[in-house]
Amino acid sequence: SQTIHQWPATLVQPVGSPLSLECTVEGTSNPNLYWYRQAAGRGLQLLFYSVGIGQISSEVPQNLSASRPQDRQFILSSKKLLLSDSGFYLCAWSAGPGTNYGYTFGSGTRLTVV
Amino acid sequence: AQTVTQSQPEMSVQEAETVTLSCTYDTSESNYYLFWYKQPPSRQMILVIRQEAYKQQNATENRFSVNFQKAAKSFSLKISDSQLGDTAMYFCAFATLNNAGNMLTFGGGTRLMVKP
Repeated sequence: SQTIHQWPATLVQPVGSPLSLECTVEGTSNPNLYWYRQAAGRGLQLLFYSVGIGQISSEVPQNLSASRPQDRQFILSSKKLLLSDSGFYLCAWSAGPGTNYGYTFGSGTRLTVV
Repeated sequence: AQTVTQSQPEMSVQEAETVTLSCTYDTSESNYYLFWYKQPPSRQMILVIRQEAYKQQNATENRFSVNFQKAAKSFSLKISDSQLGDTAMYFCAFATLNNAGNMLTFGGGTRLMVKP
């Protein structure tokens, strides 16, 4: 069966520090991968998605970047965090081209920038 | 571009009663997928139910069922015999067929509180 792992679960970082959040998927190949951000009590904002290794599409220009160094690994990064980067970050995957069964989400990372 | 609207930011229901959450969408496509996701206080996003637009029959998963009205572009979620564990944020989502990356468009969410 397919599983998705996201870590860390909680992170407190000072302003100006770097960020690296990691997401890996097991049990499938060539998944579509996504990074979302969610403010408290709010909806989902798509940050990045990837349909293959090295292929990254950015939805919102900002202080963040994403990379996909391996087929089932998706990394969200920042060189210098801002206070406004605080939020709940969710990684998700879906199957490749074909019938859409929706996303499977990771358990999320709560990021607080202080 | 497709849009998904959830017009009820918050709702409440008594335990064991039935509640319906509304969702409307806008698209020019004739075939697509619709989803309802649940996000409990743990914030884990869980797929509740999925509907393929070309299927006339409304999807059902245990106490959860949908009322899919294609002409009206409406996709409401009915929760029967509400339980305390149903307290969560609920998101409606839409996807066209074969779009690059199987992208979902999400609504803004409805916060549901089940009261004892």
